Amino acid sequence: DTGVSQNPRHKITKRGQNVTFRCDPISEHNRLYWYRQTLGQGPEFLTYFQNEAQLEKSRLLSDRFSAERPKGSFSTLEIQRTEQGDSAMYLCASSSHRQVEHEQYFGPGTRLTVT
Amino acid sequence: AQSVAQPEDQVNVAEGNPLTVKCTYSVSGNPYLFWYVQYPNRGLQFLLKYITGDNLVKGSYGFEAEFNKSQTSFHLKKPSALVSDSALYFCAVSPEGSYIPTFGRGTSLIVHP
Repeated sequence: DTGVSQNPRHKITKRGQNVTFRCDPISEHNRLYWYRQTLGQGPEFLTYFQNEAQLEKSRLLSDRFSAERPKGSFSTLEIQRTEQGDSAMYLCASSSHRQVEHEQYFGPGTRLTVT
Repeated sequence: AQSVAQPEDQVNVAEGNPLTVKCTYSVSGNPYLFWYVQYPNRGLQFLLKYITGDNLVKGSYGFEAEFNKSQTSFHLKKPSALVSDSALYFCAVSPEGSYIPTFGRGTSLIVHP
């Protein structure tokens, strides 16, 4: 078990470009979460999946944000037409299918800088 | 809607002294409560949780936290601080049965040698 991995670790893009981030969860975990974290703040929930199903997406920041988990394994988060305000750390986490285990295991994050 | 307050941006403590990092919460119904730690250039790590049962919960690295329903608090404690405990600590809450936590803003713990 290598933990949650995220790629890339850093992304610099120009305003208006599209970016896509990848998250690979812990292999036996069926829940996968995306968060955004800005300086001086805690993680802000964006969306989560249980297997392939996206169960909550109303908190995605705008319609420029979308996420997929097509086969219930890895997930991607896409931001279209990036804006400078999108600059942040994007975190992925996963958790177990066992109902009593609500704790989440986080990846190292992808730091996005929009210039 | 749920919320978490971590009233101290920074806590300073001398090595060997006890430490407390404060957290209060607001949630409808019974809470699920969590503490996570973030070391520099590393992802958040789970420390401990309260779901149900004993109000005093023990977690990793000698940390513990006490759930106080009447005060809606879940303060993180350790009897004897280590310099290596220096990190950013986040409290989180979710409503019972929910998988979506709300995080506090974090408290920077600095342990001085």
